[in-house]
Amino acid sequence: NAGVTQTPKFQVLKTGQSMTLQCAQDMNHNSMYWYRQDPGMGLRLIYYSASEGTTDKGEVPNGYNVSRLNKREFSLRLESAAPSQTSVYFCASRSHSGGPYNEQFFGPGTRLTVL
Amino acid sequence: RKEVEQDPGPFNVPEGATVAFNCTYSNSASQSFFWYRQDCRKEPKLLMSVYSSGNEDGRFTAQLNRASQYISLLIRDSKLSDSATYLCVVNRGTGGRRALTFGSGTRLQVQP
Repeated sequence: NAGVTQTPKFQVLKTGQSMTLQCAQDMNHNSMYWYRQDPGMGLRLIYYSASEGTTDKGEVPNGYNVSRLNKREFSLRLESAAPSQTSVYFCASRSHSGGPYNEQFFGPGTRLTVL
Repeated sequence: RKEVEQDPGPFNVPEGATVAFNCTYSNSASQSFFWYRQDCRKEPKLLMSVYSSGNEDGRFTAQLNRASQYISLLIRDSKLSDSATYLCVVNRGTGGRRALTFGSGTRLQVQP
């Protein structure tokens, strides 16, 4: 099992450019999540998807869009990148079964710099 | 006020020391609680869940006080490899809408 994979690992954008961050999981998990982490801060939830075909806003959704393409894949799109979106982006997934103590598994992260 | 608050540290301790981290959370509807570990420039990984009865995993002991909305992590006999940032995490919502809320982390540096 690869677990949760993310591409790209690093990206530099200019202000106003667009890009899509890709995430895939091979654990047959129902829920998938996108977080961002800024220096000295905890992870903040951008969007999540409880199941294929559904998405919900998290704490900091402005400037982002998401697509749950199928059960495996959950992408994050920046339509017009801004310097404030410079951050490390983590994708995660989780199974529904087993109750509230199910572990959330994280991908290795994408380091994005917007100039 | 942040929903999950932690002392950012850093805690600098010698090998073999015992160190404790604390965390408070503000949402009484929080349902489950965790400590995650994050190494520098890596993704967070689950260290242990925190149950109401308290739980232990080797050198690590976690405790939860729901009345005070307080979570703790105790590390005994610290190793160099314990150096990392420890994230206090709470879980709200139900079913597929459960989402984790992270503290900003407490940095631990274990010194030889």
